[in-house]
Amino acid sequence: LAKTTQPISMDSYEGQEVNITCSHNNIATNDYITWYQQFPSQGPRFIIQGYKTKVTNEVASLFIPADRKSSTLSLPRVSLSDTAVYYCLVGERVTGGGNKLTFGTGTQLKVEL
Amino acid sequence: DTEVTQTPKHLVMGMTNKKSLKCEQHMGHRAMYWYKQKAKKPPELMFVYSYEKLSINESVPSRFSPECPNSSLLNLHLHALQPEDSALYLCASSQDDRVTEAFFGQGTRLTVV
Repeated sequence: LAKTTQPISMDSYEGQEVNITCSHNNIATNDYITWYQQFPSQGPRFIIQGYKTKVTNEVASLFIPADRKSSTLSLPRVSLSDTAVYYCLVGERVTGGGNKLTFGTGTQLKVEL
Repeated sequence: DTEVTQTPKHLVMGMTNKKSLKCEQHMGHRAMYWYKQKAKKPPELMFVYSYEKLSINESVPSRFSPECPNSSLLNLHLHALQPEDSALYLCASSQDDRVTEAFFGQGTRLTVV
C-alpha cells in the first residue's frame, strides 16, 4: 500500500509560488501520482497527474524525481481562490481489477493578501 | 457534459428509515465510486464499480448497499443507519478503473437522527 504523507497546512500570500511535497515511499512500478483540490462542502477536483519527471498543465506543475518516492505540486502565482485542501493520491491496483483512489490526509493551503 | 450529479443534496433520516442516494453521469465513464467524508477528514473510499460490477468493497457495513443499474447510474441504499454515519457522501466517476482522473459530484450531506 503506497501511503502518502503531506504537510498538514501551508500559508502563502497572493502572487507567490507554492510548492507542496508529498512522500510515497512504497509506490509501485505501475502507480501514477495524482493531485486533487477540494473546497469546503464540494467534491474534490482533479488537478494533475504524472508518472515521472515533470508534467505541466494550465493550472499547475508536478515534479517527480527519478526514484518516484516523492512528488511536488507547484502552484504558480496563487490567489485567494486557491485556498483549499490539496490531496496527493497514488493509485493502487488491486487483485481482480480496480484502481483504489485512496486520499491521504491532505494539505490545507491558506492564501492571504 | 463533465458533470456528476448527485441527489438529494441534503438528507435527514431517522435510524429506522430506508433511503437512497443517487448519482448520475453522462460522460460514458465505466468506473464509478462512492466515498464518505466526515468533517475536516479526507474522503474515504467505500465502493468501486467497474463496468457495472462491484470490484471493490472497503469492508463497508451492510447497512450501506450499493447498486449500479446501468453504466450511467449509481445508487447507495441506506437502511438502519447510525448517527455516526452522518457525513458528506460523494460519488465519482472515471473513464475506467485504471484511470486516476476522477470527476466528483457535489455530494449528499446526510444527517442521521
